[in-house]
Amino acid sequence: AQSVAQPEDQVNVAEGNPLTVKCTYSVSGNPYLFWYVQYPNRGLQFLLKYITGDNLVKGSYGFEAEFNKSQTSFHLKKPSALVSDSALYFCAVRDTGDKLIFGTGTRLQVFP
Amino acid sequence: SAVISQKPSRDICQRGTSLTIQCQVDSQVTMMFWYRQQPGQSLTLIATANQGSEATYESGFVIDKFPISRPNLTFSTLTVSNMSPEDSSIYLCSARWTDRGDQPQHFGDGTRLSIL
Repeated sequence: AQSVAQPEDQVNVAEGNPLTVKCTYSVSGNPYLFWYVQYPNRGLQFLLKYITGDNLVKGSYGFEAEFNKSQTSFHLKKPSALVSDSALYFCAVRDTGDKLIFGTGTRLQVFP
Repeated sequence: SAVISQKPSRDICQRGTSLTIQCQVDSQVTMMFWYRQQPGQSLTLIATANQGSEATYESGFVIDKFPISRPNLTFSTLTVSNMSPEDSSIYLCSARWTDRGDQPQHFGDGTRLSIL
């Protein structure tokens, strides 16, 4: 079965610094990978996806993610963090039957 | 972008009762899904809501506990039956506009359910 792992429960970063939220995956075949963000009292918002092609994927709100096949990773990045980026971030992989398998989530805290 | 609306946004219920959650999409979608997010945890898929036929349930979820309807391409309901405190969770509806698995699902804001 497909799975994703988010090894960090929380990531703290100062505003203006680069941020990375880590995700590793385990799949059979080619992975379909997604990043979502969840703000308090809201549903999940889609940020970006990797299906095929360029390993660096650009998404919403200035976020990007780097797909690394050899390391089976799909880390979310942003060059300069904003306080408003503070939220819960989920990595997900498509499983059989088109369902999404989500990681455990990483809480990003950006300090002013 | 398309809007996915869930009602109610939150509720507090007594144990043993049932609650029906509605999910309305503002345009026709191919796929609709229901997820559960328990406090401080990740999302778990409950079932895929199939238009005009019985939902497809994931392991650990049964129709008697979580009956789902999807009468058309823009609307679905999830009922949480005979509720107990363990059912206290956020229930999220999602939709995908195609049957292509490389396209993302989009989510409603969820229903925050507390059982006393």
